Amino acid sequence: QKEVEQNSGPLSVPEGAIASLNCTYSDRVSQSFFWYRQYSGKSPELIMSIYSNGDKEDGRFTAQLNKASQYVSLLIRDSQPSDSATYLCAGGAINTDKLIFGTGTRLQVFP
Amino acid sequence: DAGVTQSPTHLIKTRGQQVTLRCSPKSGHDTVSWYQQALGQGPQFIFQYYEEEERQRGNFPDRFSGHQFPNYSSELNVNALLLGDSALYLCASSLGTGTGYTFGSGTRLTVV
Repeated sequence: QKEVEQNSGPLSVPEGAIASLNCTYSDRVSQSFFWYRQYSGKSPELIMSIYSNGDKEDGRFTAQLNKASQYVSLLIRDSQPSDSATYLCAGGAINTDKLIFGTGTRLQVFP
Repeated sequence: DAGVTQSPTHLIKTRGQQVTLRCSPKSGHDTVSWYQQALGQGPQFIFQYYEEEERQRGNFPDRFSGHQFPNYSSELNVNALLLGDSALYLCASSLGTGTGYTFGSGTRLTVV
């Protein structure tokens, strides 16, 4: 099993809909998780971090962490075409400071 | 407030050559990590520097080496370049541990 796994997509949603991005992780990943957005040809940009079980909301974004299921998700409400990008899920590796990234999910929001 | 700055933005090298990439962390950050991102992949951890020491290292050969200076800036050196080293090299800075990184805009390295 990969340490952090994501579906590569693309995930296509209409403008105004909720986009749901998912990520699973292995036992080699700790309990701190991060979602990054990466536009084509650009560097990753931190959107959300989540450390505790449950939901964390920031504007149109909600991160969800379920430690029992080793599952992290990112919900984007009222999706806009400008949200079209690759979304990277990252988790902190056990006993280290490094982040382990998934391969990313490409999101396409169409008008 | 300057973010993480990297130079150069693009670089073309010949197989077998050596390359040095540079990074200045975000103001107030003391830890620098380097990542390699191949096309269509997530970033892969190369190593991390803190207090001028390599604190952790990923699964990269010794051809990859680095340095951190007293002002927290950092360099990544790659010797004996291979075609497979072509990638986007990302520098990320942070303050302490367990926090999210701030990434620089990256250096696109092409090895021909």
